[in-house]
Amino acid sequence: QVQLVQSGAEVKKPGASVKVSCMASGYTFTSFGISWVRQAPGQGLEWMGWISGYNGNTNYAQKVQGRVTMTTDTSTSTAYMELRSLRSDDTAVYYCARGDKEAPNTSFDIWGQGTMVTVSS
Amino acid sequence: EIVMTQSPATLSVSPGERATLSCRASQSVSSYLAWYQQKPGLAPRLLIYGASTRATGIPARFSGSGSGTEFTLTISSLQSEDFAVYYCQQYNNWPPGAFGQGTRLEIK
Repeated sequence: QVQLVQSGAEVKKPGASVKVSCMASGYTFTSFGISWVRQAPGQGLEWMGWISGYNGNTNYAQKVQGRVTMTTDTSTSTAYMELRSLRSDDTAVYYCARGDKEAPNTSFDIWGQGTMVTVSS
Repeated sequence: EIVMTQSPATLSVSPGERATLSCRASQSVSSYLAWYQQKPGLAPRLLIYGASTRATGIPARFSGSGSGTEFTLTISSLQSEDFAVYYCQQYNNWPPGAFGQGTRLEIK
């Protein structure tokens, strides 16, 4: 079945970096894009950015632009999200989500299970 | 930047009754509007896309309507499993993943 499986929880110190992975299965990876969405504890959903599964093109939200890099490895159908210079307010569950077409402006039909990233000294 | 506003923040409804949730966009999004359901500890689940099309496997008691700036999600007869948080998301304007702040649907 179509699914996205994310890497496990991370605990990082302020100023460090984190890299979360999202492995896709059950569909043609290069036919769809992947967005990353995060959710701080008790808060709503925040879109962080999008990467094309076809050619690696990216669009990032202004709030994380300059600190985030999204990449893909088509040989393993895996998307990655790296966030640098971590702050306490980056503490959140990070989700990858498949767009329903190969473009950033989509709804998200398949979601990963989420990866908890905790930033604490 | 577009802003999505959901109302009410919390809605208390009895099982078997109808629930109506609203979402307003600060500028027109045409019909590029999706609704998601999220239960505690789980990822969001797509319910509605294109403002009114149910996603695969979504029961017919969920329906979406609206276009432009005003949208509604209606749950016709609430089941126990429907009590959750609901988010709207526009994907017409920048940023493409703009979500509303959510409506918590609780048991009355």
